[in-house]
Amino acid sequence: RKEVEQDPGPFNVPEGATVAFNCTYSNSASQSFFWYRQDCRKEPKLLMSVYSSGNEDGRFTAQLNRASQYISLLIRDSKLSDSATYLCVVNRRNQFYFGTGTSLTVIP
Amino acid sequence: NAGVTQTPKFRILKIGQSMTLQCAQDMNHNYMYWYRQDPGMGLKLIYYSVGAGITDKGEVPNGYNVSRSTTEYFPLRLELAAPSQTSVYFCASLGGPGETQYFGPGTRLLVL
Repeated sequence: RKEVEQDPGPFNVPEGATVAFNCTYSNSASQSFFWYRQDCRKEPKLLMSVYSSGNEDGRFTAQLNRASQYISLLIRDSKLSDSATYLCVVNRRNQFYFGTGTSLTVIP
Repeated sequence: NAGVTQTPKFRILKIGQSMTLQCAQDMNHNYMYWYRQDPGMGLKLIYYSVGAGITDKGEVPNGYNVSRSTTEYFPLRLELAAPSQTSVYFCASLGGPGETQYFGPGTRLLVL
């Protein structure tokens, strides 16, 4: 079983839409959780860390459910500049495990 | 600060050739990582290091070697290049547990 599983999409949404991405992880000993953004042919960049209490950064909200081993990312009021691949990442014992990514295209 | 730098940006190798991918960071981070990313796939960990002189295997170490003689540098060595090693290679560093990984811009490797 894969460490991290994501719906690959693609998600094609109009500007202004709300879109949600989901991710599950297989190892309950996973310690920390993140969403990264990767633009085409570029390195991943941290979008936000994810906490059990839920956290928000502007239009982005991330949530962690440890009991279900489930992580989510909600993007409100989508912008054209949000078009990218979103990677779900978990950390356990200094090692990071990446999902395959969910592709988002925001359409004018 | 330059952050994490990688050289070369792009390289074509013939089967059986060897090369070293260079990675350097100027943030005095203890943790460094090498990943590969195949098209349409997530990143897979090749090797990592928690400090100078300490390295450990990741998920896909076969065909690669690393060394970490200083905090700044973490080179990745391919001894006998194979077409299956065609990929994009990312180096990353991390200050400590709970902190953010910083990635280099990547090296695109094509083995023919």
